[in-house]
This record gives sequence, C-alpha cells and structure tokens, in this order.
Amino acid sequence: DIQMTQSPSSLSASVGDRVTITCRASQSIDSYLNWYQQKPGKAPKLLIFAAFSLQSGVPSRFSGSGSGTDFTLTISSLQPEDFATYYCQQSYGTPFTFGPGTKVDIK
Amino acid sequence: QVTLKESAPALVKPTQTLTLTCTFSGFSLRTSGIRVSWIRQPPGKALEWLARIDWDDEKFYSTSLKTRLSISKDTSKNQVVLTMANMDPVDTATYYCARSRGIPVAGYYYYGMDVWGQGTTVAVSS
Repeated sequence: DIQMTQSPSSLSASVGDRVTITCRASQSIDSYLNWYQQKPGKAPKLLIFAAFSLQSGVPSRFSGSGSGTDFTLTISSLQPEDFATYYCQQSYGTPFTFGPGTKVDIK
Repeated sequence: QVTLKESAPALVKPTQTLTLTCTFSGFSLRTSGIRVSWIRQPPGKALEWLARIDWDDEKFYSTSLKTRLSISKDTSKNQVVLTMANMDPVDTATYYCARSRGIPVAGYYYYGMDVWGQGTTVAVSS
C-alpha cells in the first residue's frame, strides 16, 4: 500500500496568514493527489484534485502543487471559515490511502 | 443535484455483520467513469478508505480489511451496499459513502471524491 504522511500534524495561525501544508507519498503517485477539508461533525469536502486542480466552487485562495512524492496545499490568506482539518489522499492506485490530517486552528 | 445518504444500524454487537447502505440520486452507476467508495472515521481519528465499486462492477478493498468486506451495487435502486463481517469495538466509527467521477486534466482522467454523504455513526458494543 502507498503510505501518505502530512506535516505538520497541527498548526496555529491567524486570519490573513499564508498557510502551507505538506503531504508526502511513500512512492511516486504522479499527480494523483487530492486534498480535502473537514470541519467537526461534517463530511470531508474536496478542495483540490489532480494535485493542483481547484474543485468547482472552492475559493481561489486554496492552491495545490507538487508531483511524484511531494505535494503542498497552500491557503494564501486564511479566513475564519478555513479553520478545519485537511487531508491528502492518493488516487494513484488501490487501495486508496489518506494522510493522517493537519488540523488548522486559531492562534 | 447529486446526493448520497448512508444508512446502517446505530449499534451492532461484536462478531455480528454490519450492513451499510448508500442510497444516491442525481447520477447513475451505469454511467462510464462513475465510482462509489466507502470511507470511515473512528472518533477523533483520521479518514480510512474501505472499498470502492465502479460503474463496470470492478471492486476494490482495503488491504487490511478485505477478508471482512464485500461491496455490491443495485443500479435499479441507486444503492451501494457494503457488508463488514465480524465486527469489533475498534470498528466503531462514522461511515461515509462518496462518489468519484473521472475529470480529464492534460489528457488523463483524475478521480476525486467530489460528493459525500452526511455519514452514519455505528457503535460496536455488547
């Protein structure tokens, strides 16, 4: 199975900050990397697919980059509604696997 | 409008078999490129992908759980069913179903889980 890791596991940030979350795959997954946002008690929401493609309706302050084994999710200017947990997920091969998550909370 | 909704008993006993049903609308599992996955999340923990069934009836399972899982679809009812045998308290979790569809990017098709159900919480206890 392809293992996914994320860093940091949590971070504290202020509204307006630029936030970067890193995801690493245990082997190359080309660009088959998705990012999800999850708020407490809610289902995850797809933000980014194919490593950098913004899902319809997602604000442009979210962006993704990377290929191969190293990927990044960036929030250019953190908004109050962005405080949540973020997961990466590889869709290169089955079984699909998620990262352990990065919790973004208020400083 | 695409929607999915999970249903399952709220409580099952250890060793029992859990049956999870995902009832969806707004798309068809007869359509090429459509997939439905099951994902779970134990309280306070990360997401774990469990299984997937594709429009052409291909089926895929979690490596660690594949001996306990079985996924099927009923296209006439717009349902996907996942059974998990030999339930244990560690299987206590919220279970989600989610749709994927292939989106072309630079000549390749990519699949993100773009619509999720609200989740159903299952506790395993005697």
